[in-house]
Amino acid sequence: KAGVTQTPRYLIKTRGQQVTLSCSPISGHRSVSWYQQTPGQGLQFLFEYFSETQRNKGNFPGRFSGRQFSNSRSEMNVSTLELGDSALYLCASSLDGPAQYFGPGTRLLVL
Amino acid sequence: QKEVEQDPGPLSVPEGAIVSLNCTYSNSAFQYFMWYRQYSRKGPELLMYTYSSGNKEDGRFTAQVDKSSKYISLFIRDSQPSDSATYLCAMSASPGNQFYFGTGTSLTVIP
Repeated sequence: KAGVTQTPRYLIKTRGQQVTLSCSPISGHRSVSWYQQTPGQGLQFLFEYFSETQRNKGNFPGRFSGRQFSNSRSEMNVSTLELGDSALYLCASSLDGPAQYFGPGTRLLVL
Repeated sequence: QKEVEQDPGPLSVPEGAIVSLNCTYSNSAFQYFMWYRQYSRKGPELLMYTYSSGNKEDGRFTAQVDKSSKYISLFIRDSQPSDSATYLCAMSASPGNQFYFGTGTSLTVIP
């Protein structure tokens, strides 16, 4: 079974721009979660989608948004990028059990 | 106070040593406890998870949960250089709830 895939793997943007990241979960997984990972803060939860509905949301500003499609693929959007948004963005999928399986991440650099 | 606390290390041990990695938490509602391994520039990889209190063993890895002390541990026996990575603990009240991660402990096993 193919693992979680994320595109693009690397991205460079400038302040004020917006970005869209994509995540394809493991086949059959209906839950997709997004995390931001930085050296200082570790893994911080952004939001989780289950069957196209946002089920949980972390403490991030409204500039961070997401959606899930009927095939369980998910996208995350960040508008009006700030320097502090530079991070590794990780997507994880699960069958709705405790085991989450992570993708390789998208490394975003904001200049 | 953070939901999950984890000593960031770094931890350096000789090959063959027994490694003990630990996390503490504050939320008594947590029931699911996970350990992930993350190699440099990769996404986290699920090692094992446990439900409620007790021990779980998988090869060289043993996970322990002490809910009365709000303390979880991961033991690695006969550590190998390939175990060199960052180890993250994570926990949740239920599979449908948000997962909370520790900041990770960096481990180096010296040949």
